[in-house]
Amino acid sequence: AQTVTQSQPEMSVQEAETVTLSCTYDTSESDYYLFWYKQPPSRQMILVIRQEAYKQQNATENRFSVNFQKAAKSFSLKISDSQLGDAAMYFCAYRSTNSNSGYALNFGKGTSLLVTP
Amino acid sequence: EAGVAQSPRYKIIEKRQSVAFWCNPISGHATLYWYQQILGQGPKLLIQFQNNGVVDDSQLPKDRFSAERLKGVDSTLKIQPAKLEDSAVYLCASSFEVGETQYFGPGTRLLVL
Repeated sequence: AQTVTQSQPEMSVQEAETVTLSCTYDTSESDYYLFWYKQPPSRQMILVIRQEAYKQQNATENRFSVNFQKAAKSFSLKISDSQLGDAAMYFCAYRSTNSNSGYALNFGKGTSLLVTP
Repeated sequence: EAGVAQSPRYKIIEKRQSVAFWCNPISGHATLYWYQQILGQGPKLLIQFQNNGVVDDSQLPKDRFSAERLKGVDSTLKIQPAKLEDSAVYLCASSFEVGETQYFGPGTRLLVL
């Protein structure tokens, strides 16, 4: 089974600064999807960004971008110009493209991001 | 477009009692997932439905947990009897089809005393 590791339980960033959240994963598959989800205190899980493994270009969504290193099995999230509303738990997730896996998301343990004024 | 709806939002029960959670997915979404999120951990899949059929329930503790999606739309997850370790947030998610992006509901926080 694929494992997803987020080695930073907590991170802190000042408003307007940039922060990078780390994620590594273990898989023997060549094609898969990676995601970053945000979970604020309201507990609604919100999709931040998604990366398809066969695409070499790193995904970007406004202030959010990823650094996808397939050979290193690394998938970090960069948040630029951090805002107070970015404070939340951030989860990295892996999803297989193998139908036998059922396409469920396999989550890491999360990184709690604190944004200070 | 309405999102994934879940109820109740909070539930407190005593161990050995029964509890049920309800989920209404986004309209038109064929795939529905139930995840369990224990405090301090990421969500873990319990069961996945495609329309009214089960795709994956390998992580569902079937001696006490059951789930159904009889008409292929809304779904109910039941725990009977509950144990202390079932205290968690139960998240429902849906996607248009298997393999598409999953959208999550607000979750139901369960506390078993």
